[in-house]
Amino acid sequence: RKEVEQDPGPFNVPEGATVAFNCTYSNSASQSFFWYRQDCRKEPKLLMSVYSSGNEDGRFTAQLNRASQYISLLIRDSKLSDSATYLCVVNPDRGGADGLTFGKGTHLIIQP
Amino acid sequence: EAGVAQSPRYKIIEKRQSVAFWCNPISGHATLYWYQQILGQGPKLLIQFQNNGVVDDSQLPKDRFSAERLKGVDSTLKIQPAKLEDSAVYLCASSPPWDRGRGTQYFGPGTRLLVL
Repeated sequence: RKEVEQDPGPFNVPEGATVAFNCTYSNSASQSFFWYRQDCRKEPKLLMSVYSSGNEDGRFTAQLNRASQYISLLIRDSKLSDSATYLCVVNPDRGGADGLTFGKGTHLIIQP
Repeated sequence: EAGVAQSPRYKIIEKRQSVAFWCNPISGHATLYWYQQILGQGPKLLIQFQNNGVVDDSQLPKDRFSAERLKGVDSTLKIQPAKLEDSAVYLCASSPPWDRGRGTQYFGPGTRLLVL
C-alpha cells in the first residue's frame, strides 16, 4: 500500500463550479498534513496546512479525518487559475527527520 | 527575499556518466532537502540535512548517489554512474528553523535530468 494515495484525475471542471479532492495515508503516526500546489513544469508550493478542526483560506477548505486517515480539499467558485496539480502531503515527523511524503497528485483542469 | 537557487536547470547525459547538481537555500534556513520527482509522480525525499549534518538519508540510493553540505549552506547532489531510471527533476528545498515539522518547505526550480 502506498504511503499517500490520491486519484490522479484529470478532473475537468467548468469555471465557477465546486470541486473536491481527497487522499488517504497509511502511516497512522503521521503528525502533520498539507496540500501543495504544483503548476506545470514548476516547483511545488504550499497551498495550506490541514487540521482536524478543518481550516479555510478564501475559496479553499481543507479537512483531516485522523480516524479514517483521510484528507480532503474543497475548492469553491473555481477559477481558470486554479488549474494545476494538487499534491497531498504528509509529514511523518520521524523524530528530527521531517522530510515530506507526497502523493502522486491530482490534476485539475478548469474549463472556461 | 531570494528563493532557493539551483543549477544547472537542465542536464542531458549518457548512462554511466556522472552528474552533479548544486543548491543554495534561502539565507538562514538551516534545513535542506533533496527530492527526486519522476514524471507523473510526487516528489520523493532523498536526503535531509540539518546544518551540515545528515538527518535522514534512508531513501538515498547510496551505491550511486551522494550528497554533501560541507559548510552548512550550499549543497551538492551527485550521481555516479547514472542510470536511465535516474531521469527526473531533482528538487532542492529548505525550511527555516522556526518551522520544524510544519511542512513549510520552499522549493527551488529544480534541475531536469535526462539520461540517454
